[in-house]
Amino acid sequence: AQKITQTQPGMFVQEKEAVTLDCTYDTSDPSYGLFWYKQPSSGEMIFLIYQGSYDQQNATEGRYSLNFQKARKSANLVISASQLGDSAMYFCAMAVAGKSTFGDGTTLTVKP
Amino acid sequence: DAGVIQSPRHEVTEMGQEVTLRCKPISGHDYLFWYRQTMMRGLELLIYFNNNVPIDDSGMPEDRFSAKMPNASFSTLKIQPSEPRDSAVYFCASSPQDRGFEKLFFGSGTQLSVL
Repeated sequence: AQKITQTQPGMFVQEKEAVTLDCTYDTSDPSYGLFWYKQPSSGEMIFLIYQGSYDQQNATEGRYSLNFQKARKSANLVISASQLGDSAMYFCAMAVAGKSTFGDGTTLTVKP
Repeated sequence: DAGVIQSPRHEVTEMGQEVTLRCKPISGHDYLFWYRQTMMRGLELLIYFNNNVPIDDSGMPEDRFSAKMPNASFSTLKIQPSEPRDSAVYFCASSPQDRGFEKLFFGSGTQLSVL
């Protein structure tokens, strides 16, 4: 069975600073995808970034980067230069054979 | 592209009533997922379809829940009879799944309140 663990229920960061949101995963399947989604207070789910299990380089999307450490089974999200609009819930997810499993989420609050 | 369309956005009903949630996936997407989000249990996968066929319904809470996908452009999630503990946000998502792990495109969700 697949499992995603996010150990930080809440995080605070000062505006313009970088923040790392932790995610560990567990699967026995060698082929999988790792994702991060953002859910602002309005409720919609927004895709941020993707990392494939066979990708050699860490994924980057603008201010978002994914620190992929395969041996440790971790896929941490790094947000650089935090903005007030980054305050939201962040979900780590893993997809295996068509099925996506989500972590419990981390609430990020950006302080001005 | 209109995205994944869910209706209604909000549903308030009384315990014991039948509730039907609707979803129109993005055209061309082969996979459709139904998720439930609550504070206590987070995001739970209820069921997902591949090419209109249910693949895994192990997340469906009990027999009161049923889901159908009669064609590639429409799916329903039905709760009969509804109970207060069913109150949650229900998300529908679709995906092309070319590689078996593609990102999900979510609808706006249906906020269900069962009184």
